[in-house]
Amino acid sequence: EIVLTQSPGTLSLSPGERATLSCRASQSVSSSHLAWYQQKPGQAPSLLIYGASSRATDIPDRFSGSGFGTDFTLTISRLEPEDFAVYYCQQYGTSPLTFGGGTQVEIK
Amino acid sequence: QVQLQESGPGLVKPSQTVSLTCTVSGGSINSGGYYWSWIRQHPGKALEWIGYIYYTASTYYNPSLEGRVTISVDTSKNQFSLKLTSVTAADTAVYYCARDGGGGAEYFQQWGQGTLVSVSS
Repeated sequence: EIVLTQSPGTLSLSPGERATLSCRASQSVSSSHLAWYQQKPGQAPSLLIYGASSRATDIPDRFSGSGFGTDFTLTISRLEPEDFAVYYCQQYGTSPLTFGGGTQVEIK
Repeated sequence: QVQLQESGPGLVKPSQTVSLTCTVSGGSINSGGYYWSWIRQHPGKALEWIGYIYYTASTYYNPSLEGRVTISVDTSKNQFSLKLTSVTAADTAVYYCARDGGGGAEYFQQWGQGTLVSVSS
């Protein structure tokens, strides 16, 4: 199975700053079938990005995804207070579908 | 917009079988085009995909759980279900049902709110 490694584990930033989250795959993710999710405490994950760079419905454009092959990035251009949460990547190019371990974006 | 809601027992004894149901509203499982999944999240936060089912009852399971997992669908009730046998404390998790993006795009576009299953004697 494809193992996804997210870094850093925790990102401490202030509102208005830029956040850069990394997701590295143990082997190439076919057709850039990579998604990003946001999860807030007590809630289910919610879809942000699919196809490595396509924003899901109603996701603001401060969220962007990039990358291909084994290296993917989620960027939040300017952090809003509601963006402090845990972020997960997920690959769906190869079964079994797998998730990364998550990056927590916390208020500095 | 489709909504999903999990239901099932919150507490299960070790070695028993846990059965969970996901009720879908705002859309029909029978309409096809989507895969319906179960995903769990352990207390330490890792997410694990368990498996999915299509409305035709075709299934695919995560090999790490295969042999203990059965996913079934009841299109007349617009529900799909998960059975996990021989549970241990390692199966303690929040269990989510989810719908994919459609057209074979197996990211998770819609999620239920999740239900906590605790395995303890």
